[in-house]
Amino acid sequence: QSALTQPPSASGSPGQSVTISCTGTSSDVGGYNYVSWYQQHPGKAPKLMIYEVTKRPSGVPDRFSGSKSGNTASLTVSGLQAEDEADYYCSSYAGSNNLGVFGGGTKLTVL
Amino acid sequence: QLQLQESGPGLVKPSETLSLTCTVPGGSISSRSYYWGWIRQSPGKGLEWIGSIYYSGSTYYNPSLKSRVTMSGDTSKNQFSLKLSSVTAADTAVYYCVRQGWTNRFDPWGQGTLVTVSS
Repeated sequence: QSALTQPPSASGSPGQSVTISCTGTSSDVGGYNYVSWYQQHPGKAPKLMIYEVTKRPSGVPDRFSGSKSGNTASLTVSGLQAEDEADYYCSSYAGSNNLGVFGGGTKLTVL
Repeated sequence: QLQLQESGPGLVKPSETLSLTCTVPGGSISSRSYYWGWIRQSPGKGLEWIGSIYYSGSTYYNPSLKSRVTMSGDTSKNQFSLKLSSVTAADTAVYYCVRQGWTNRFDPWGQGTLVTVSS
């Protein structure tokens, strides 16, 4: 059982927006603005898409955005494209004794 | 662009110790700005942080694996290593090495190496 809770699946049509949630506790997501999101295509290593809740690394399209409210963080993908179909994982800092907890992952399908 | 490369046996027998090394060509594990970590992914499953090491040698382990994990670093070779003892089939996974920023930012990742635990 993962420390953070994500829906197992999400879907949307090309051009639409989809939001993936990531729920933790006040000891991780709610306690720090250190939530990150990763995209993973089959057979590939995960790729950082969002860090520190809302920041995008260089090269990540601005169609990807992050937010947080209380113990729940969210990743929104706007203007869905076929290449966005992948698994998405959230992660949060959880204190000095647990530097990284992950969600179980969400499979995003572009219809 | 910084690249990380995992190496080690792809097959380990039950009850033995899994040993992996991550090489960081073109980078420096002596940097005070980052941790260097290991993350694994069991077949068809999600990601699990195993642990991280800081340039000073300080180590941080997932509480659920802490009793079996040892990490070390060799700054002269720009490498860091993972040892996981008393492995079982449940430890079969793709193991990734990764650079970890202060704010839970895992980037970049190595390509990953599959380790199978089987007799």
